Amino acid sequence: ETGVTQSPTHLIKTRGQQVTLRCSSQSGHNTVSWYQQALGQGPQFIFQYYREEENGRGNFPPRFSGLQFPNYSSELNVNALELDDSALYLCASSSITSAGELFFGEGSRLTVL
Amino acid sequence: DQQVKQNSPSLSVQEGRISILNCDYTNSMFDYFLWYKKYPAEGPTFLISISSIKDKNEDGRFTVFLNKSAKHLSLHIVPSQPGDSAVYFCAASADTGTASKLTFGTGTRLQVTL
Repeated sequence: ETGVTQSPTHLIKTRGQQVTLRCSSQSGHNTVSWYQQALGQGPQFIFQYYREEENGRGNFPPRFSGLQFPNYSSELNVNALELDDSALYLCASSSITSAGELFFGEGSRLTVL
Repeated sequence: DQQVKQNSPSLSVQEGRISILNCDYTNSMFDYFLWYKKYPAEGPTFLISISSIKDKNEDGRFTVFLNKSAKHLSLHIVPSQPGDSAVYFCAASADTGTASKLTFGTGTRLQVTL
C-alpha cells in the first residue's frame, strides 16, 4: 500500500508567478484535500475534492484552484503568487467516510521571493 | 480568529512520566476532535480521535479527554517515550458535509528527555 506522495518537495518562485503542486493519493482513497501551513502555524484547510469536483473550500481566494483526476491524484494551482503564499503545502487523502482521519504527504515547501 | 488554541508552544517531560497536552476551542459546532503528531520533514500522522458524544477515548499509551462544557480537550501520554518527541496538533471538525475540513491549532512541541 503506497502512501501519499507530493512533488516537488521544495521550490522557489517570484511574486506574480504561477505554481502547480502535485499529489498522488493513497490507494483506495477517493477524497483529497489541501492544506497550507505557514511558519509557526497549524495547517489551514484550502479545499477538498471528491469525485473530481471541489466540494468544500476554506477561506482562500479564487487564485487557489485545484484538480482531481480519475486516478485520484490531484493538483493545487496558485496564480499571481504573493509573498504571503510562502508556506508548506500539504496534501491529504482519505475516504469520504473517514471522519477527519487524513493521511498526509510530506508536503511541498514553497518560497515566494 | 483562532477557533482551536494550543496555548503551550512547547513541553518537556522526562521519559516514563506522563505528558499532558492541552487544547481549547471556541466553536460550539465542532463535534469531532483529533490529535495529529508531526515529525520534522514528515506530514502529520493521525494519532487518536474522540466524538463529542464521549468524554474519553483510549488507545494504548494515548488517552484523549473531552470536556464539552469547558470546550477543552487534552491528550495524555503514559508513559512518555523518547520517540514521542514531536509536534502535536489538536484538530476539530464540524458536521458540514466536508469530511476532511479540519481546523488545527498551532501545535505543541513535546520533548521527552532521558
